[in-house]
Amino acid sequence: QKEVEQNSGPLSVPEGAIASLNCTYSDRGSQSFFWYRQYSGKSPELIMFIYSNGDKEDGRFTAQLNKASQYVSLLIRDSQPSDSATYLCAVEGAGGTSYGKLTFGQGTILTVHP
Amino acid sequence: SAVISQKPSRDICQRGTSLTIQCQVDSQVTMMFWYRQQPGQSLTLIATANQGSEATYESGFVIDKFPISRPNLTFSTLTVSNMSPEDSSIYLCSVNRADTQYFGPGTRLTVL
Repeated sequence: QKEVEQNSGPLSVPEGAIASLNCTYSDRGSQSFFWYRQYSGKSPELIMFIYSNGDKEDGRFTAQLNKASQYVSLLIRDSQPSDSATYLCAVEGAGGTSYGKLTFGQGTILTVHP
Repeated sequence: SAVISQKPSRDICQRGTSLTIQCQVDSQVTMMFWYRQQPGQSLTLIATANQGSEATYESGFVIDKFPISRPNLTFSTLTVSNMSPEDSSIYLCSVNRADTQYFGPGTRLTVL
């Protein structure tokens, strides 16, 4: 049973602060890791993906991956009220039969207050 | 990215009936995926639809309940059969492009 766990929320940060979202996964062979943002009543929107150990930065967002620790995180710098949403961590398993199949964490609700 | 549309966007159905959800993609893709998001929950993969072959279902999902069609490389349908209130969820179509998964807008289903 592949599992993806996210840090329990909700997470509340002041505007301008750094929001840190964490995720662990059980399938050591997992290859690809995704962070999605989901506003209430909307479908998930891709924020970032990461495949290699280390950091990947895109604007205010930084994804960090540590395959040895089976850990992936998302940092949001200079948080804005518009970042308030549910953040979903998703993991794609190893092997051809797992291609495109994502296992999602339960999501972390982030609130950025002015 | 990928442009994905779904029909209907929402529906309210009676117990025991069936609903077919359509998914259209802007260009050809090999695999299309169907996910379910139950109220207050995260997404769960229902099945993978390949053109020209039977859909493959994840544990806990069966073809009799969720029959899928994939008549061509840009279109798929998911039917929710013999519905019960427990089927009330958002159903999302997804495709993989450039090793990244993109989601359609979803179909919000309420079963009374």
